[in-house]
Amino acid sequence: SQQGEEDPQALSIQEGENATMNCSYKTSINNLQWYRQNSGRGLVHLILIRSNEREKHSGRLRVTLDTSKKSSSLLITASRAADTASYFCATSRGNNRLAFGKGNQVVVIP
Amino acid sequence: EAGVAQSPRYKIIEKRQSVAFWCNPISGHATLYWYQQILGQGPKLLIQFQNNGVVDDSQLPKDRFSAERLKGVDSTLKIQPAKLEDSAVYLCASSLLQSGREKLFFGSGTQLSVL
Repeated sequence: SQQGEEDPQALSIQEGENATMNCSYKTSINNLQWYRQNSGRGLVHLILIRSNEREKHSGRLRVTLDTSKKSSSLLITASRAADTASYFCATSRGNNRLAFGKGNQVVVIP
Repeated sequence: EAGVAQSPRYKIIEKRQSVAFWCNPISGHATLYWYQQILGQGPKLLIQFQNNGVVDDSQLPKDRFSAERLKGVDSTLKIQPAKLEDSAVYLCASSLLQSGREKLFFGSGTQLSVL
């Protein structure tokens, strides 16, 4: 299975702090994506990193990918209350299926 | 641009009843997906359409679930008969091409409660 597994499962931080969450997977991939899900809503795409990339930035987001360790990390800098959500990683190996992990719940305390 | 539209937003039924969900993807998106998300878990792909053809339905419980995408635009997902374990959020998503290469756009989902 290529299903991503996020770690830690739940994270509670103060506004302004950085939040880091990790994702591991089991087999080789073409790319890895991160999504955010606010309570009661659908998922929103955050960032896609391809297997030949090591780091990618988008605003306050920084994603790294280590294919030798089969892991990825998502860093949110200077967190805000609006960042409170669940974050999912998803992997693709070249077939069309995008496999999601169980998610990582982040609570940012104002 | 308009997002992925889903209806209804909520549905409560009793076990053994039938239920149907509707999805209208973003205009021009060839690929449409139905995901099931059980509370506390990540989304699980049920079925993927490319235009009006099925690309992947390997995780669809075909004895009770069915889906169609007539004319390659909107889609319906049906459960008949429903079981207690079908209680979940059913998410529809679409992408311009194939999910392995690009991002998905999700609707807000239909929350199903089976009593």
